[in-house]
Amino acid sequence: SYELTQPPSVSVSPGQTASITCFGDKLGDKYASWYQQKPGQSPVLVIYQDFQRPSGIPERFSGSNSGNTATLTISGTQAMDEADYYCQAWDSSTGVFGTGTKVTVL
Amino acid sequence: QVQLQESGPGLVKPSQTLSLTCTVSGGSISSGTYYWSWIRQHPGKGLEWIGYIYYSGSTYYNPSLKSRVTISVDTSKNQFSLKLSSVTAADTAVYYCARVLDRRIFDYWGQGALVTVSS
Repeated sequence: SYELTQPPSVSVSPGQTASITCFGDKLGDKYASWYQQKPGQSPVLVIYQDFQRPSGIPERFSGSNSGNTATLTISGTQAMDEADYYCQAWDSSTGVFGTGTKVTVL
Repeated sequence: QVQLQESGPGLVKPSQTLSLTCTVSGGSISSGTYYWSWIRQHPGKGLEWIGYIYYSGSTYYNPSLKSRVTISVDTSKNQFSLKLSSVTAADTAVYYCARVLDRRIFDYWGQGALVTVSS
């Protein structure tokens, strides 16, 4: 079955840039989405179709996808961005989520 | 704005069938633009896609759960439902319902329902 692998954790200082990677075989041939989940809350869509931002998502969130890796970048990271982040893609009509990355804002 | 709300028993006995319903408000489940999905999250773990349904009744399931899962839709009530049979403790999780845009984007989620499998 298809797998998406993320680093378990990323630490970033306030105001700095956080990059979260998502690795999957030929992931660049698929569309990647990213979801933010804060403790006790439901996931929220922050990036879809590799780099598109939904209405209401701050411009500091951006995405890219090429080769085997999709990347979510948070520029000028704020304390409110501390959360778990999951990448997601589809393989043969099956939804697959990444392993998840905990972003800590130190 | 569309809202989704899960409902159902929070405790299910092993070997029984887990049943949850998602009620959609603020939009019609029959609009034809969206699919409707179930996703679960084991305690302290990541997200797992269970399956989705179109208003016409067409379904797609995660192969790893396909033998035990049934998703159905009731357009008259603007609801869709999940049944998971022969549950074990490994099925203890928070179950989310979500709207699916373009068959691939989970754009709205319910608040989640914790289901515990225990005797």
